[in-house]
Amino acid sequence: AAGVIQSPRHLIKEKRETATLKCYPIPRHDTVYWYQQGPGQDPQFLISFYEKMQSDKGSIPDRFSAQQFSDYHSELNMSSLELGDSALYFCASSLGGSARNQPQHFGDGTRLSIL
Amino acid sequence: AQRVTQPEKLLSVFKGAPVELKCNYSYSGSPELFWYVQYSRQRLQLLLRHISRESIKGFTADLNKGETSFHLKKPFAQEEDSAMYYCALSGRGGATNKLIFGTGTLLAVQP
Repeated sequence: AAGVIQSPRHLIKEKRETATLKCYPIPRHDTVYWYQQGPGQDPQFLISFYEKMQSDKGSIPDRFSAQQFSDYHSELNMSSLELGDSALYFCASSLGGSARNQPQHFGDGTRLSIL
Repeated sequence: AQRVTQPEKLLSVFKGAPVELKCNYSYSGSPELFWYVQYSRQRLQLLLRHISRESIKGFTADLNKGETSFHLKKPFAQEEDSAMYYCALSGRGGATNKLIFGTGTLLAVQP
């Protein structure tokens, strides 16, 4: 069965650079969530989208922005990267709206390393 | 405040021994609780959700609203159960329900 696809799997950047992470949800899933997992930390919710609109926002820095496109894939744009942004970034997809209690399915994550 | 607490960072047991991974939560309203598992170098996978009341890979979890707990149990641990286990709470946010994770418990099953 098709799963959530994230690209790239690994990304190395330097301080003050920008990065774009991509997430392709499971077909027919209309909701995307982004989570950040620092070293030895639990995943922290960043932001979510339902039907191409931002639905909820967590501890996402102002330097980060995200959007969901017409094909439901999502991109997380990160600017002025800092050392503390080094983490594993997970994307999850599910059904939203009246079906929002359906479980979330996670991608393999993008490991971002800032030098 | 919405919060999930997993008091044990590491739980080491021998193969065949019973396992209980503890999870306590803080939430106003009716919670939706999950257990996710992350095997080495793999993605987070849903293991259990409380409303399903099912057993997956021999694991069960019962929601105890009085004790605000959702402990994960298995009567006989197997080596392949070794993994990171996260308890998570679904928090409502409009049309989407973000997950609030505990800090995770690393289960190590010794031969």
